Amino acid sequence: AQSVAQPEDQVNVAEGNPLTVKCTYSVSGNPYLFWYVQYPNRGLQFLLKYITGDNLVKGSYGFEAEFNKSQTSFHLKKPSALVSDSALYFCAVRADQTGANNLFFGTGTRLTVIP
Amino acid sequence: EPEVTQTPSHQVTQMGQEVILRCVPISNHLYFYWYRQILGQKVEFLVSFYNNEISEKSEIFDDQFSVERPDGSNFTLKIRSTKLEDSAMYFCASGGLAGVETQYFGPGTRLLVL
Repeated sequence: AQSVAQPEDQVNVAEGNPLTVKCTYSVSGNPYLFWYVQYPNRGLQFLLKYITGDNLVKGSYGFEAEFNKSQTSFHLKKPSALVSDSALYFCAVRADQTGANNLFFGTGTRLTVIP
Repeated sequence: EPEVTQTPSHQVTQMGQEVILRCVPISNHLYFYWYRQILGQKVEFLVSFYNNEISEKSEIFDDQFSVERPDGSNFTLKIRSTKLEDSAMYFCASGGLAGVETQYFGPGTRLLVL
């Protein structure tokens, strides 16, 4: 079975400070990991993904995430937060299995960047 | 930049009525998906569609649900007899040639069943 845990419902950070949004996963086989962002009344926007290769992946809007196999984690990071980064962030995983393309999402973490 | 579009953005219906939610995936994508998000909860997979047939479905996707790609562009989700618990945001997504490709999501249709 596949699952994703986002242990923090809410993360608050001051503008200009680094931010981290945590994600851990459970999957059979190799994981494909994704981060999406959802702004109010909008759909899910793709930020970045890890499929294979370098454990540090860079994505849109200055975000990056580090795949850690031993800790089964894929935390989202940004060196300097902007007020406009305030949104709901979802981590998702799918298994490296033929025919298993659907994504399993975490419960989301609401990021608030304080001016 | 190409994007997934969905119509309508909002739909209100009476319990027991049929609804059809429409999606236009990104034109060169081959995999299509429906997900839903009940208010305050996480996004849940409903069904995936490839090569004109369902490739996977979740336990949520029961006999009340069906999907169709009636022409070369639209991808629809039909709920035959809506229940109160079907009230949710429904997202369509599409992806490229292989499963590792990113799934791009539409803006969603907010369905309210009264």
